[in-house]
Amino acid sequence: KNQVEQSPQSLIILEGKNCTLQCNYTVSPFSNLRWYKQDTGRGPVSLTIMTFSENTKSNGRYTATLDADTKQSSLHITASQLSDSASYICPPATDSWGKLQFGAGTQVVVTP
Amino acid sequence: DAGVIQSPRHEVTEMGQEVTLRCKPISGHNSLFWYRQTMMRGLELLIYFNNNVPIDDSGMPEDRFSAKMPNASFSTLKIQPSEPRDSAVYFCAIGTGSVTQYFGPGTRLLVL
Repeated sequence: KNQVEQSPQSLIILEGKNCTLQCNYTVSPFSNLRWYKQDTGRGPVSLTIMTFSENTKSNGRYTATLDADTKQSSLHITASQLSDSASYICPPATDSWGKLQFGAGTQVVVTP
Repeated sequence: DAGVIQSPRHEVTEMGQEVTLRCKPISGHNSLFWYRQTMMRGLELLIYFNNNVPIDDSGMPEDRFSAKMPNASFSTLKIQPSEPRDSAVYFCAIGTGSVTQYFGPGTRLLVL
């Protein structure tokens, strides 16, 4: 059964600190893995997309890693800002058209 | 979400009524996806199209749900008859192959 598990479920961090979100997936077949940020009341916005051959990918203060062998990914947020407060989801794509499998996400709250 | 226009943005209806949600993607993307998001179940893929042809509708919950894509710039998701458990935010997203998906702003549906 295709599954995506994200941890922690929620996270509160102080502005300026770093944090790391985890994503474990069990999907087959596997095409690529994406990280999205979803602000409250808005649609998800893409942060990164990684294929099985990519280990690390950065987008500004966001750095994603992927270990296709262990089926684990992480998203590291450096020097967090208040605007990083959002839900973060990591759906893998299971076909070439981009069919995504979702987990529950990690809710991040950055406090001043 | 500038690449996808969804309407209406909010819809309140009574149980048993027909609801039609609309999506207008920008051109140049081959695939269109319909998602539903609730607090309990998170994001769920309902159906997706490639080149206007439905590829996978296994996520459509019941026969009460139907989706069409008559051309590359328009798609509808219809619920008939609607039920209170259909209350959710419905997202339309577009993408091309294995590249990222761009989500629309969503339609918030409340069925009383």
